[in-house]
Amino acid sequence: GAGVSQSPRYKVAKRGQDVALRCDPISGHVSLFWYQQALGQGPEFLTYFQNEAQLDKSGLPSDRFFAERPEGSVSTLKIQRTQQEDSAVYLCASSLVGGGNTEAFFGQGTRLTVV
Amino acid sequence: AQSVTQLDSQVPVFEEAPVELRCNYSSSVSVYLFWYVQYPNQGLQLLLKYLSGSTLVESINGFEAEFNKSQTSFHLRKPSVHISDTAEYFCAVSPSGGYNKLIFGAGTRLAVHP
Repeated sequence: GAGVSQSPRYKVAKRGQDVALRCDPISGHVSLFWYQQALGQGPEFLTYFQNEAQLDKSGLPSDRFFAERPEGSVSTLKIQRTQQEDSAVYLCASSLVGGGNTEAFFGQGTRLTVV
Repeated sequence: AQSVTQLDSQVPVFEEAPVELRCNYSSSVSVYLFWYVQYPNQGLQLLLKYLSGSTLVESINGFEAEFNKSQTSFHLRKPSVHISDTAEYFCAVSPSGGYNKLIFGAGTRLAVHP
């Protein structure tokens, strides 16, 4: 398909385990975003890439969270030593360019449950 | 900094009735305004957006929203809802001068009953 693809769709991790979440953006999209959506809340910004450059990581909640987009296409969000408060849906979005008026296309998300 | 408040967490309504989902925002800079919809088991989809110009914007499926600068609001309305409109609706803003980093409200769950 031509949309944003995220994998896995569901992930159960034991507390303390490391996890890696993958995002395949729409081909040719320059901008890529990660958001965290806790249960009953709206998505909250985590980090932003323009091509391979991570221009904003102000939303990452701790140094256990790390994101990369080494070739400017696929991105990975890594969470080290997961904790229960990391349980959430992690959303990836991409857009053609980075302007504030540009539509962002979202993936279906990865639901992470830390037990 | 920006923030978005959606005043109703849930809105139950009967089919063919009108509905209004409320959204207020706070920002020290100019913003663009968006409504996103999330149907069950699907990703967020853009419903409509206000960038500039006419303060009334419409979607292809009958929703409309009006930007009110003095009241810092962007309420979403539909004159007659369908069962298929049942979904979670998110209001969001992004700074007009930067990249499209979205600040979302907590969402309103619209439940349309027959």
